[in-house]
Amino acid sequence: GAVVSQHPSWVICKSGTSVKIECRSLDFQATTMFWYRQFPKQSLMLMATSNEGSKATYEQGVEKDKFLINHASLTLSTLTVTSAHPEDSSFYICSASADGQSGVVTQYFGPGTRLTVL
Amino acid sequence: GDSVTQMEGPVTLSEEAFLTINCTYTATGYPSLFWYVQYPGEGLQLLLKATKADDKGSNKGFEATYRKETTSFHLEKGSVQVSDSAVYFCALGGSGGSNYKLTFGKGTLLTVNP
Repeated sequence: GAVVSQHPSWVICKSGTSVKIECRSLDFQATTMFWYRQFPKQSLMLMATSNEGSKATYEQGVEKDKFLINHASLTLSTLTVTSAHPEDSSFYICSASADGQSGVVTQYFGPGTRLTVL
Repeated sequence: GDSVTQMEGPVTLSEEAFLTINCTYTATGYPSLFWYVQYPGEGLQLLLKATKADDKGSNKGFEATYRKETTSFHLEKGSVQVSDSAVYFCALGGSGGSNYKLTFGKGTLLTVNP
């Protein structure tokens, strides 16, 4: 259980184009979804937190107009990188949280999407 | 604010060796603690977790005990395998009422040689 998928797993695009990445919780309803960015050999950097039906909360320093997040349902969130540039090339990982016993929230991660902007 | 400090890698071991990856944390309140594993080119997988002091999380031969007195959550395995080669992240689940955000350590790369 608690499977999270991402699509696509990798994408190559030209500079100036937009790219959409989907994140789905396959076997549970996620109250909250998170988007992370990971640079090579580094830890994960939280970009934003989104709840179904409301606006995402972005971390300091993350441009909300560049990284558009839509959380249309309890099982789907999308991240759109608008007007992508080579510096946006990275590994993007989503996670979905599920309430557990005693109110403990556990995040389950997708397999990641490798974005390369030429 | 909350923070997690992991031992610096990389760690290289021979198969069947004993593994310890140290993790200490700073937090207010009563956080939950997690270990995640990331295999090359993949996302993170939850390895184990502990939600309160003295809890022991275990999975696939890995163990970690939530030590409040030493603010630690060290990962151990008695006999590692080549397939355990991966990056291991210690993480803290938001404390002080914010139960959602995770704070990650920098990760420790483990390489197990045959």
